[in-house]
Amino acid sequence: SQQGEEDPQALSIQEGENATMNCSYKTSINNLQWYRQNSGRGLVHLILIRSNEREKHSGRLRVTLDTSKKSSSLLITASRAADTASYFCATDAERLTGGGNKLTFGTGTQLKVEL
Amino acid sequence: DGGITQSPKYLFRKEGQNVTLSCEQNLNHDAMYWYRQDPGQGLRLIYYSQIVNDFQKGDIAEGYSVSREKKESFPLTVTSAQKNPTAFYLCASMGRGIMNTEAFFGQGTRLTVV
Repeated sequence: SQQGEEDPQALSIQEGENATMNCSYKTSINNLQWYRQNSGRGLVHLILIRSNEREKHSGRLRVTLDTSKKSSSLLITASRAADTASYFCATDAERLTGGGNKLTFGTGTQLKVEL
Repeated sequence: DGGITQSPKYLFRKEGQNVTLSCEQNLNHDAMYWYRQDPGQGLRLIYYSQIVNDFQKGDIAEGYSVSREKKESFPLTVTSAQKNPTAFYLCASMGRGIMNTEAFFGQGTRLTVV
């Protein structure tokens, strides 16, 4: 099963509205990250929140982390058509053989922002 | 420009053929990863390498092989043993240490079996 599960699977909003996506995970983490993927392209890192942080901001992005509930949310304020993309959370609960962290990705939320 | 480059963008494979996907990075990252993405699904780890001349199997390594002869390069070969190779393949790199957990991705290679 996936370490990270995003909710909702798809979200359609009007330009100017806020978009909220949620991510739940199963085991303890060091940090949680959010990535964005435009259709047919690679993933781009948006923001990282550490396990000892509760909220973080970056431009129009606001991320919260509740380690007691094992959940995170990504809020995009004043959305634009250019925000249309898939958004993934990634957690680093597992260590890899030889060191380093394994990033485990959820199935993503497809966001569509309409004009 | 620092970054990670995958090629080709599109690749077509006939049944029974091996094909190799290229991944090159100039970020001086030690760690490199290959992921597979199927429609509507998240990313699944195929292989990873933490250092030159060393690599490890990920969650779905069967039917794939890799090499890491240079720090900058981590090619993935999809062998004829991979029964369902049609997918979007993503290469990523990452610095080492607990402070370097942001992954940098290439633009992906879409592989189709014809």
